[in-house]
Amino acid sequence: SSELNQGPAVSVALGQTVRITCQGDSLRSYYASWYQQKPGQAPVLVIYGKNNRPSGIPDRFSGSSSGNTASLTITGAQAEDEADYYCNSRDSSANHVVFGGGTKLTVL
Amino acid sequence: QLQLQESGPGLVKPSETLSLTCIVSGGSISSSSYYWGWVRQPPGKGLEWIGSIFYSGSTHYNPSLKSRVTMSVDTSKNQFSLKLSSVTAAETAVYYCARRIIHCGGDCYSFDYWGQGTLVTVSS
Repeated sequence: SSELNQGPAVSVALGQTVRITCQGDSLRSYYASWYQQKPGQAPVLVIYGKNNRPSGIPDRFSGSSSGNTASLTITGAQAEDEADYYCNSRDSSANHVVFGGGTKLTVL
Repeated sequence: QLQLQESGPGLVKPSETLSLTCIVSGGSISSSSYYWGWVRQPPGKGLEWIGSIFYSGSTHYNPSLKSRVTMSVDTSKNQFSLKLSSVTAAETAVYYCARRIIHCGGDCYSFDYWGQGTLVTVSS
């Protein structure tokens, strides 16, 4: 399968914890990466590999995986975390990159 | 600090070929640790991978676009390029170039550096 499925939207109260999920067959074998995209800006990588954060990404962002589901957790969400979040990985049958459809995070 | 910058026409006519170049600065494109890729995003929609290229010229393309996509690399100029033929209005999008990490404790498909993106409008 070449699909990664994300819920369209999720909301979280300021300071609370939120989990954004990504499902796909390829996630049983390959790591998911997570990107944050704010309006009018390029995506920013926030999680890659097992649970790695690029330099400059706050430690409130973390990643995990179980079976065919990868998760991005924001612990203590801040107003500036309001954005679209995309997962990506590879296709389960070929060396192709795939992206999830994105999840819009609203911080209340 | 690595920087990527897309360049090319902002307007392409339907059925013609879209051509973009990504200039890489602050690092060498000739690294065995990375692929270089193109990702696009139609207005208000999600991200779509177009393809990736290694500095040796080895390529991987999105199967849905493979028949119309050509990517190339010029290591002497530290840049890589995209050509997408027979475009339609539905391919109006922001086109991003990005660097893809190959290994991160396992096989990796993460894009860690992105250009600012360039809007390409397909219209007559």
